[in-house]
Amino acid sequence: GQQVMQIPQYQHVQEGEDFTTYCNSSTTLSNIQWYKQRPGGHPVFLIQLVKSGEVKKQKRLTFQFGEAKKNSSLHITATQTTDVGTYFCAHGSGNQFYFGTGTSLTVIP
Amino acid sequence: DTAVSQTPKYLVTQMGNDKSIKCEQNLGHDTMYWYKQDSKKFLKIMFSYNNKELIINETVPNRFSPKSPDKAHLNLHINSLELGDSAVYFCASSQKFGGAAYGYTFGSGTRLTVV
Repeated sequence: GQQVMQIPQYQHVQEGEDFTTYCNSSTTLSNIQWYKQRPGGHPVFLIQLVKSGEVKKQKRLTFQFGEAKKNSSLHITATQTTDVGTYFCAHGSGNQFYFGTGTSLTVIP
Repeated sequence: DTAVSQTPKYLVTQMGNDKSIKCEQNLGHDTMYWYKQDSKKFLKIMFSYNNKELIINETVPNRFSPKSPDKAHLNLHINSLELGDSAVYFCASSQKFGGAAYGYTFGSGTRLTVV
């Protein structure tokens, strides 16, 4: 399948530091979605990006879709312990829908 | 009201047994899915149903069979369980295939342990 790669796989940050995860694809994506999964929980939809170069914000979270629509990023400003979890990007292609490999974020108080 | 509910939450069973996991959604969504999440947290699509028709079926063993009695339910039946089937299984639904602008809504997961 067209699994998209996410980097880094793991990230430990001190509370208050910023965090960024990147989602990269070898092919052009029609859309990109982002999900958050808390430890022991289930993935929760955060946002969808569709347009080239699109930037959306949700409080301390900034989502960006690359100009070539082959990559996306999620940036968290001034992390808090509530940001702990695994962040997934996901995209649809025809009748297929794929999740990225995920980035697990640990926030050290 | 839970939007997507799946039961049981935990399932411990012996190799060779047959088991079922149930899923129900009350969102009025058209499409439902089963995902498998392994120990490395990779989420892999197994099945999806759109208006009671199977529309994708990834390369999963035929020991796994989805059953959808109606648009609001998608159950997963597993025959002859193997150790490698141990994982967390998530049910999800969306308004249409691919999730549209509102994404997928996931159930809380079923942690299956085969011993």
